[in-house]
Amino acid sequence: DAKTTQPNSMESNEEEPVHLPCNHSTISGTDYIHWYRQLPSQGPEYVIHGLTSNVNNRMASLAIAEDRKSSTLILHRATLRDAAVYYCIRIFGNEKLTFGTGTRLTIIP
Amino acid sequence: KAGVTQTPRYLIKTRGQQVTLSCSPISGHRSVSWYQQTPGQGLQFLFEYFSETQRNKGNFPGRFSGRQFSNSRSEMNVSTLELGDSALYLCASSLALGRGNTQYFGPGTRLTVL
Repeated sequence: DAKTTQPNSMESNEEEPVHLPCNHSTISGTDYIHWYRQLPSQGPEYVIHGLTSNVNNRMASLAIAEDRKSSTLILHRATLRDAAVYYCIRIFGNEKLTFGTGTRLTIIP
Repeated sequence: KAGVTQTPRYLIKTRGQQVTLSCSPISGHRSVSWYQQTPGQGLQFLFEYFSETQRNKGNFPGRFSGRQFSNSRSEMNVSTLELGDSALYLCASSLALGRGNTQYFGPGTRLTVL
């Protein structure tokens, strides 16, 4: 079963960068890495995705290791609204999303 | 553009009853997926529909079923409800099938089975 591994929880100070790691050591060449987050009492929200090279959007950056066995979601300047559970998801084969337990990010004011 | 909408938002049923949940995808999106979220099991994939056909199915019993209409709206049905079916049921839509397609989630339907 293809899975990703993330720390259960992380803390960060407000207005500082946050680096959320994810290991996906069994990834294959055509698997995408997606990141979603879920704020309290809401459905998951798309953050970013990538295949091989680093990606940036208005929400975050995604740094993918050269061997693709790990990736890091970077929030450049955390705010209190970024407190959520962040899911790193590998999309493979039959194209369904398989969510792990994610990383619960706490932002300290 | 309006987001994914789900109705009802909250539902209380008793064991043995059946329930139907509704999902309206973002306009133009043709793929709809359903997920179950519980504190113990996390987010689990139920099934995915595209062009009125079920394309993928998760590991859930046959009591869980769904369908998609020609306007891409989708319903899921749970028959013979059990206490363990209490969960947040999430619907997500995307433009098409495919690994790179972003999924947009609705707010969910909170089902409580008594």
